[in-house]
Amino acid sequence: ETGVTQTPRHLVMGMTNKKSLKCEQHLGHNAMYWYKQSAKKPLELMFVYSLEERVENNSVPSRFSPECPNSSHLFLHLHTLQPEDSALYLCASSQEASRAYEQYFGPGTRLTVT
Amino acid sequence: AQKITQTQPGMFVQEKEAVTLDCTYDTSDQSYGLFWYKQPSSGEMIFLIYQGSYDEQNATEGRYSLNFQKARKSANLVISASQLGDSAMYFCAMREGGGGSQGNLIFGKGTKLSVKP
Repeated sequence: ETGVTQTPRHLVMGMTNKKSLKCEQHLGHNAMYWYKQSAKKPLELMFVYSLEERVENNSVPSRFSPECPNSSHLFLHLHTLQPEDSALYLCASSQEASRAYEQYFGPGTRLTVT
Repeated sequence: AQKITQTQPGMFVQEKEAVTLDCTYDTSDQSYGLFWYKQPSSGEMIFLIYQGSYDEQNATEGRYSLNFQKARKSANLVISASQLGDSAMYFCAMREGGGGSQGNLIFGKGTKLSVKP
């Protein structure tokens, strides 16, 4: 596989469930990102990892917990979510976490919290 | 204040014609990067084109070109010879900071482009 892959593509979970989103990049990049895309709102950056270390946390609630075990994999662990957390969650990677490098996105996970 | 402004929520263009999608940005940094992404209904964000703040020439990538007017802080995307497959949401984004910066990629609200046959 090439590029950035995300699983699952669709997820429906109750507010008391625990689930994880997975992202994998096959581009040899050093930086990975989680974004949230809600209806009619700009894309919101959630977390940035550079060389497996978290370098950015955009005031994201603790019910979202990221994990980056290596430079190719990124997880987003979810627990006790709220209905307003329903959104498209996009993973991205870039060569480095700096100004000039474009980010390559995965297809996203469409999350619905019931 | 919004950092990235896309004033056109929706646009229509006839197939084979050119279309310009507007983007203005707000930054006090001297060094920044500007990006355009395309998001089809499938959800994936596809990188289209990049313009660095110090680049003197407008960026071009195939049918995409970026009309960069630094003094006006605008970075409009021009799509030439529109195709039906160009129908999608288009997002303008900016990244502030110098070469080693880990600045955020800030997105606009997007423009929905519909290409008519």
